[in-house]
Amino acid sequence: DTAVSQTPKYLVTQMGNDKSIKCEQNLGHDTMYWYKQDSKKFLKIMFSYNNKELIINETVPNRFSPKSPDKAHLNLHINSLELGDSAVYFCASSHQISGRYEQFFGPGTRLTVL
Amino acid sequence: GQNIDQPTEMTATEGAIVQINCTYQTSGFNGLFWYQQHAGEAPTFLSYNVLDGLEEKGRFSSFLSRSKGYSYLLLKELQMKDSASYLCAVRDRAGGATNKLIFGTGTLLAVQP
Repeated sequence: DTAVSQTPKYLVTQMGNDKSIKCEQNLGHDTMYWYKQDSKKFLKIMFSYNNKELIINETVPNRFSPKSPDKAHLNLHINSLELGDSAVYFCASSHQISGRYEQFFGPGTRLTVL
Repeated sequence: GQNIDQPTEMTATEGAIVQINCTYQTSGFNGLFWYQQHAGEAPTFLSYNVLDGLEEKGRFSSFLSRSKGYSYLLLKELQMKDSASYLCAVRDRAGGATNKLIFGTGTLLAVQP
């Protein structure tokens, strides 16, 4: 199926641990994003990559580091996890060149930090 | 600054029409999106307006007035499956990031029988 996929879907971990979330899209899009959705359902952009180049880098603690090995993948690594990092993290992708700007979202990764 | 306002919650009856409003004040504007998000699921694209006026797509329509910083999403012939959060998002062009979406906090719509 063509889609944006994320792994894992659920992630439960202890404070202070380091964890990664992976995202892949097979839609042929050139731009990928990471969003954080908090407990109040507010969806906020964190990072965006266009053709493997970082183009959006919001005010996010430097414990969060995105990595894009190629156009189809965007991973998120989080160091020294804190309680406040608990949220749902969504990956998304879009195709800038086509002029169609809608973003397609992955299923989300629910991160719980204990 | 960036500010996008939507009502927090709305309730409507199956078969009726509901209008969800969104007002925005952003440093750049390059279009407005509406997304639907069911509980525990990903947001899915509903509509995109970049010019003033009404865009109709089946039971859903979206309106934009750039001069007023205002949009609405109109849902007709409501069905129970329309119970979801509806997210308004402005495509901001500030800082050269041409596809940065600023989301509102969403409107939780409950459709009752």
